[in-house]
Amino acid sequence: AQSVTQLGSHVSVSEGALVLLRCNYSSSVPPYLFWYVQYPNQGLQLLLKYTSAATLVKGINGFEAEFKKSETSFHLTKPSAHMSDAAEYFCAVSEAGTALIFGKGTTLSVSS
Amino acid sequence: KAGVTQTPRYLIKTRGQQVTLSCSPISGHRSVSWYQQTPGQGLQFLFEYFSETQRNKGNFPGRFSGRQFSNSRSEMNVSTLELGDSALYLCASSRRTSGGAADTQYFGPGTRLTVL
Repeated sequence: AQSVTQLGSHVSVSEGALVLLRCNYSSSVPPYLFWYVQYPNQGLQLLLKYTSAATLVKGINGFEAEFKKSETSFHLTKPSAHMSDAAEYFCAVSEAGTALIFGKGTTLSVSS
Repeated sequence: KAGVTQTPRYLIKTRGQQVTLSCSPISGHRSVSWYQQTPGQGLQFLFEYFSETQRNKGNFPGRFSGRQFSNSRSEMNVSTLELGDSALYLCASSRRTSGGAADTQYFGPGTRLTVL
């Protein structure tokens, strides 16, 4: 079965600093990978997704992620953090049909 | 275009009762999936409905059931509620094209269920 591991349940950065959220997946077939963000008391919003078209995927709000098959990784980055980026981030892999398998999530804190 | 809507947003029930949650997908989306989110277990897939048929099911007991109507709206039912069913229940809709695995799922705001 496919699975997702997010390293670090909590990441803290200063405003303007690089954001790096780590995600590793396990899959026996080429996966579809997603990053979602969740703000308090809200649902999940898609940041970006990998569907094998390009290994470097650009998403909304300045986020991007690189698919590395050799490392089975799909880390999320943003060059410069904003206060508004503080939220919980989830990496997910797509299994049968539309079932998403999520990681445990990483809470991003941004300090001024 | 209106997003995914879920009703009610908050619900308080007692053990042993049953509950029905509703989800209206984005117009044109024919697939509706349900997820349970808890602090301990995280986000877990419950089931997916497409064209009024359950297409995929997660590892949850039979107390959790759902259905989909001809207008793609979906309901989820939990019978004989347990304390552990307290969670945020999220609904997501998608177009479900070519198998669905690459589809973007659009999530609603969720229904917060508290079981006392």
